[in-house]
This record gives sequence, C-alpha cells and structure tokens, in this order.
Amino acid sequence: DGGITQSPKYLFRKEGQNVTLSCEQNLNHDAMYWYRQDPGQGLRLIYYSQIVNDFQKGDIAEGYSVSREKKESFPLTVTSAQKNPTAFYLCASSRGPQSYEQYFGPGTRLTVT
Amino acid sequence: EDQVTQSPEALRLQEGESSSLNCSYTVSGLRGLFWYRQDPGKGPEFLFTLYSAGEEKEKERLKATLTKKESFLHITAPKPEDSATYLCAVQAAGGFKTIFGAGTRLFVKA
Repeated sequence: DGGITQSPKYLFRKEGQNVTLSCEQNLNHDAMYWYRQDPGQGLRLIYYSQIVNDFQKGDIAEGYSVSREKKESFPLTVTSAQKNPTAFYLCASSRGPQSYEQYFGPGTRLTVT
Repeated sequence: EDQVTQSPEALRLQEGESSSLNCSYTVSGLRGLFWYRQDPGKGPEFLFTLYSAGEEKEKERLKATLTKKESFLHITAPKPEDSATYLCAVQAAGGFKTIFGAGTRLFVKA
C-alpha cells in the first residue's frame, strides 16, 4: 500500500523543548512539504523540498527546521523558538513541485503547554 | 498577491438537497486548481485537478467546474457521509507554491 505516514498522531510537549515530527512516503515522489493548519485558516506552508538534500523555506519557517537526507523521509523539528507551536501539522508529497496534486499524511496534532 | 477565497464558510443541507460550494481565486496565470476533502482530525484527501476554464470533473455525487475566476463544487443529492470540510487550492503558472483556501464545512443531515 503506497502512502504517507506521520507519527505520532498526538504529541504533547512542555514549553522550551524541541520536538521532531516524522514523515515518510513510499510513493516515490520527489517533492515533499510541511504545512501547519489552524482553525479557520487555510494550510500554511512551513518548508518544502523538491529533491534530496535540498529544501526551501515556506511562508512561516521561523522556529522550524527540516532535513531531507532520503527521498522517502522529511522530518520536521519544532524548536523552542517557535512562538505558538500548538497546531495540526500536515506532511504532503507530490510527483514534482509544479502542477501536481499533493497527497497528504494523516497529520500530527502537537500540543505545547 | 495570489489568493483563494471559499464560500460559504459553513453549509448545512438536508440529505438529498443539492447545492454548490464556491472557490474564488486571484492568481497570475493558473497552472492548476485542486479540490480536497478533509474529515475532522485527518489529512486532506485529493478529489480533483482542473487546469483550464470550461473543464469539468465528476466523482460520485461531486462535480467540479472551473471558470477564469472561480470554481464550483456541485454536490448532487448529498448523503450524511458527504459531511466534511472541502478545501480548494491553486497553483500559479511559473510558481511553485500551492495556495489553500480556508475551506467550506459541509454538514448533511439525514
């Protein structure tokens, strides 16, 4: 079964702690993305990667970091510098960066207290 | 600035009551427009891609249409299981980013 997996589904952290969200895909897609979803707002792009070992900042990259060491994996680290980290985080992938639909994982809900 | 606006924010229908969701967009040359369905607490599920004005696509009770300024998602004789948030997104020609609307929450009552 091809698809995108994210883990964990729920994550709780204390303020000041860094946390890493996992994203894996077996669709053989080149491009991968991280979005943040808050109630009443559209998805906002955090980071994206078009190929292995390359990634670019999206609209709200401050306080986040990523790596793309393997085609299948694109982990997101939420650092203590992120002012309001509590949100629903979605990972997606597409065959290429342009004009291709994106396929999403099930999401990780992060709560920081 | 590229922008996507969806209306209404929420729509309540009786089972079998057909209706339409609107997606208005402003983009400097459209490369593609996408519709997704999102259930609560889950990731969006891809429904359709539309590329040019006049194009239509159908899937079960859903039909998506596209003009130069907006797209409609028509829902014919909806069932309670069609209840979800429907997201619209656009990608501009020459660009890379996909811009998402805030979504329309659809509630279908039996």
